[in-house]
Amino acid sequence: GAVVSQHPSWVICKSGTSVKIECRSLDFQATTMFWYRQFPKQSLMLMATSNEGSKATYEQGVEKDKFLINHASLTLSTLTVTSAHPEDSSFYICSAPPDRGDEQYFGPGTRLTVT
Amino acid sequence: GIQVEQSPPDLILQEGANSTLRCNFSDSVNNLQWFHQNPWGQLINLFYIPSGTKQNGRLSATTVATERYSLLYISSSQTTDSGVYFCAVEHSGNNDMRFGAGTRLTVKP
Repeated sequence: GAVVSQHPSWVICKSGTSVKIECRSLDFQATTMFWYRQFPKQSLMLMATSNEGSKATYEQGVEKDKFLINHASLTLSTLTVTSAHPEDSSFYICSAPPDRGDEQYFGPGTRLTVT
Repeated sequence: GIQVEQSPPDLILQEGANSTLRCNFSDSVNNLQWFHQNPWGQLINLFYIPSGTKQNGRLSATTVATERYSLLYISSSQTTDSGVYFCAVEHSGNNDMRFGAGTRLTVKP
């Protein structure tokens, strides 16, 4: 199957700082990638859709100025959590479909802890 | 938006037992996938099954799209099967997957 990577695997930052998380498709190109957030013992919630060549689209209730998404190339999307607060501590997972409507593959996730 | 309901929420089995996990969805779907989330959080693709039946070793899945449900069967369960199983569907045509709440499976030796 296709491979999606994320970096870093985990990160600890201080409140008020910004953190960037990378999502890469390693063996295919993805014009669209997706960012999810998972709180402990909960399900995955879609945050936003990252579109190559255009602006990201955000789910209702997700602050676009706080969670900056940049689809830098056909294999890379980044999520920047700006002015992080402890309530932003969560597990962030990205996904990408190799082709439209195809099976989706998920990255290994990034565990963010804000102190 | 589309609703995805999984049952049961929790399941405890003795090693060797069989189990059936269910996923109901409220509208037509273009894609349905089953995942196993391992203790480190990685989602393992089990099945891509918008319709029909598939089998992979001790696991099999059936989706009846017209009746809006999917079943995941685990036979001869092993302790390594423990974890959370998620059903996710894509409905909008935009490839965005919506997840159910998951079934937490514990297999005891």
